[in-house]
Amino acid sequence: DIVMTQSPDFLAVSLGERATINCKSSQSVLYSSNNKNFLVWYQQKPGQPPKLLINWASTRASGVPDRFSGSGSGTVFTLTISSLQAEDVAVYYCQQYYGTPPTFGGGTKVEIK
Amino acid sequence: QVQLQESGPGLVKPSETLSLTCTVSGGSVSSSDYYWSWIRQPPGKGLEWIGYIYFSGSTNYNPSLRSRLTMSVDTSKNQFSLKLSSVTAADTAVYYCARDLVVAAHGWFDPWGQGILVSVSS
Repeated sequence: DIVMTQSPDFLAVSLGERATINCKSSQSVLYSSNNKNFLVWYQQKPGQPPKLLINWASTRASGVPDRFSGSGSGTVFTLTISSLQAEDVAVYYCQQYYGTPPTFGGGTKVEIK
Repeated sequence: QVQLQESGPGLVKPSETLSLTCTVSGGSVSSSDYYWSWIRQPPGKGLEWIGYIYFSGSTNYNPSLRSRLTMSVDTSKNQFSLKLSSVTAADTAVYYCARDLVVAAHGWFDPWGQGILVSVSS
């Protein structure tokens, strides 16, 4: 299985400041035939299911604010919230869909400092 | 838009079979563009993909659960189902159903159902 490792486990950021979450995969999730990274990011608020934020490592899903951005390639990826808002308090997960089974990172909890 | 809703017992006894159904509205389980997946999340923990079923009935299960899993699809009711046998306390979790885009072996999960907490206890 491809192991997804997120860091940090917990992140406290002031309102309006930048939040950066890291995700590393145990093997490359870059698909050579289309040069795309098979990685997504989800946001999960308490008591809710995960919500898709980013697919193909850097493409925002429909309706996702542009303060959320994804970057990286191969085995190292980053989710950035450029200006943290109160409604962004949540746990964020990365997930690879390159191999089977699809696997998730352990999650990063983001709170307001 | 597509919505998914899980249903089934919230309490299952150890060694028995956990059975859940996901009802899809606003879309069709017969679409060739999607797999239909189950994912679980133990309380306070991370996410684990359980497996998927395709409209044709073909399945792909997580090897860690394969020996205990059966999935099925009912296109007439626009539902798909999960059965997990010989459950233990380790199977206590929120179980989600989700649509899984056919990109390659898998895609991303969107949307998800609200989830159903299943506790395994005598």
